Amino acid sequence: EVQLVESGGVVVQPGGSLRLSCAASGFTFDDYTMHWVRQAPGKGLEWVSLISWDGGSTYYADSVKGRFTISRDNSKNSLYLQMNSLRTEDTALYYCAKDNFDYWGQGTLVTVSS
Amino acid sequence: QSALTQPRSVSGSPGQSVTISCTGTSSDVGGYNYVSWYQQHPGKAPKLMIYDVSKRPSGVPDRFSGSKSGNTASLTISGLQAEDEADYYCCSYAGSYVFGTGTKVTVL
Repeated sequence: EVQLVESGGVVVQPGGSLRLSCAASGFTFDDYTMHWVRQAPGKGLEWVSLISWDGGSTYYADSVKGRFTISRDNSKNSLYLQMNSLRTEDTALYYCAKDNFDYWGQGTLVTVSS
Repeated sequence: QSALTQPRSVSGSPGQSVTISCTGTSSDVGGYNYVSWYQQHPGKAPKLMIYDVSKRPSGVPDRFSGSKSGNTASLTISGLQAEDEADYYCCSYAGSYVFGTGTKVTVL
């Protein structure tokens, strides 16, 4: 059974940093591209970033480019999102998703507030 | 990338059909056959319902179907059921990815 479990969401002040993690199981992690997608409270889905199976290619939404960094550790079946220079508009539930968005985690909540 | 445009809400009675549109541009919806659709119930993670415009993952009822014409993709739910009441989002590849604004489906 495919499982994606996000962690690391907390309350952080504007300008702060945070690292999210996503633990994957039930599939061959290093065969697949992985994504981060976020959803602000009461709002729609927003694609954030993707990383190729080997970490060699990464892409970002314009809204986070230069502030967020996606990475992965295939030896640990884990995906990460380093979030710097956080803004109040980054407040959202952050989901990790597999490849063609066929599996999603339950999300981890990031709140940026003073 | 601007979000794809979806109607805010659609509604129908049980057994009826509803169609949700998803309008983009030639740089996203119109340029690739990589449109997908997601169902999201309150407090739950999104669930993939349609991928590659019209393909259904295993386990998704055949009441759900997808199509595309030009820069607009559509999701049709036939034989509407109470459990279909949810938010629906489209998504298109565009070099990166872009989601739609979301549509609330209400079963009357």
